[in-house]
Amino acid sequence: DAKTTQPPSMDCAEGRAANLPCNHSTISGNEYVYWYRQIHSQGPQYIIHGLKNNETNEMASLIITEDRKSSTLILPHATLRDTAVYYCIVRGNAGGTSYGKLTFGQGTILTVHP
Amino acid sequence: GAGVSQTPSNKVTEKGKYVELRCDPISGHTALYWYRQSLGQGPEFLIYFQGTGAADDSGLPNDRFFAVRPEGSVSTLKIQRTERGDSAVYLCASSLLGPPAYNEQFFGPGTRLTVL
Repeated sequence: DAKTTQPPSMDCAEGRAANLPCNHSTISGNEYVYWYRQIHSQGPQYIIHGLKNNETNEMASLIITEDRKSSTLILPHATLRDTAVYYCIVRGNAGGTSYGKLTFGQGTILTVHP
Repeated sequence: GAGVSQTPSNKVTEKGKYVELRCDPISGHTALYWYRQSLGQGPEFLIYFQGTGAADDSGLPNDRFFAVRPEGSVSTLKIQRTERGDSAVYLCASSLLGPPAYNEQFFGPGTRLTVL
């Protein structure tokens, strides 16, 4: 699976949009971009995933660049409860024996402040 | 409905002892995963079950670690001759189906293992 690079930490004011970047310059054609988050003392929680089109759900939006080498997770109106570690993960969806697992990096610690 | 549950929530043991960690996946989920997370790090994959069989055990660090899922539901992670370096949070996740179709992995709260 391709390696991802994220900033170690970011701050955001409550009510503002949080934009979390992720670089995945070695991503291959059949690999998806996934985002999970982990609130303190809890297990990770799925947020969203995409291949090449932008995606939106009730939690967030995912913007993937045309060359697919980077992406941005957008939380449109951050709340204090969005304070967590956010993980960007690249993973193939088919083929090979290792595509069941998620390979987590160190993620971005997002702190939402009042 | 009930999520993934893990027991115990905390386990303290002495170096050299044997421990078992249990995971109850979401009912009907055929895929089950174990990860471990050391302080300040992201979760690290250990093993993945599809039904009763281990489809990928490439993340198990050595032969002291073993996991079973005999009936395709509950899974037990077993660690023999524990070492201080085994101290971590052990996370279990399940998904409705395994690959190739992607299904969201639902994580439990984890078991915090401390080896003294």
